[in-house]
Amino acid sequence: SYVLTQPPSVSVAPGKTARITCGGNNIGTKNVHWYQQKPGQAPVLVIYSDIDRPSGISERFSGSNSGNTATLTISRVEADDEADYYCHVWDSTYDPLYVFGPGTTVTVL
Amino acid sequence: QVQLQESGPGLVKPSETLSLTCTVSGGSISNFFWTWIRQPPGKGLEWIGSIYYSGSTDYSPSLKSRVTISVDTSKNHFSLKLSSVTAADTAVYYCARHQGVGAHFQHWGQGTLVTVSS
Repeated sequence: SYVLTQPPSVSVAPGKTARITCGGNNIGTKNVHWYQQKPGQAPVLVIYSDIDRPSGISERFSGSNSGNTATLTISRVEADDEADYYCHVWDSTYDPLYVFGPGTTVTVL
Repeated sequence: QVQLQESGPGLVKPSETLSLTCTVSGGSISNFFWTWIRQPPGKGLEWIGSIYYSGSTDYSPSLKSRVTISVDTSKNHFSLKLSSVTAADTAVYYCARHQGVGAHFQHWGQGTLVTVSS
C-alpha cells in the first residue's frame, strides 16, 4: 500500500504562516488533496489537485507538491484555523486506491 | 447545493452486520462516484469503498471480504453493509461524493457514529 506521512502536530502564532507536510514516495507525480476537520465535524475540502481551492475557501490556504513532499500552507493564521488536517491521494497501482495521511493537528498559540 | 445524510443503527452487536444508507438530496446520484469513509474515535480517516452510480465498485483490501456497497438510483441513495463486525469497527462513518475515479471528496455527509457492543 502507498504510505503517507504527516507531522502529528504543528503550532503557530496568530498572523504567522503554518506549513503542513505530507510525505510519500514520488508524491509529486500524484494529485494531492487536503481536508480540514474540526472537532465533531465532517472533513472539509480546502485544497484539491495540489493547488486548487474550492469556492468559499480562504485564499490564505495554498498548496504545493514536488518530489516526495506535498505542502499545505496557511498564511496569516487565525484562531479559526485550529483543526486537524489530512492529505489524501489516489493511485491505481496501489491497494487501497484511496489513502489518507495520519493527520496533523494545527494549534494556534 | 447537494447534501448527503447518513442513517442507520447507532449500535450493532458483535458478529452482526452494520448497515448504513446515505441519502442524497439537492442533486442526482447519477454521473457521480460515491464513497464510504470511516474514522474510529480519536483516529484518522480510512477509505472503505466506492461505487459509481452504474454499480461498479472498489473496496479497501483490508475490508473487502466483509463489505458490500450498493446504489439505488430510484431512491437517490447508496448503502453500506459491513458483516461480522467487532469492536474495531466502532467509528464515525461518513459518505462522500466525488466527480471521478481518483478525484477529491468534495461533498461529505455529517457522519454517523456506529458503536459495536453487546
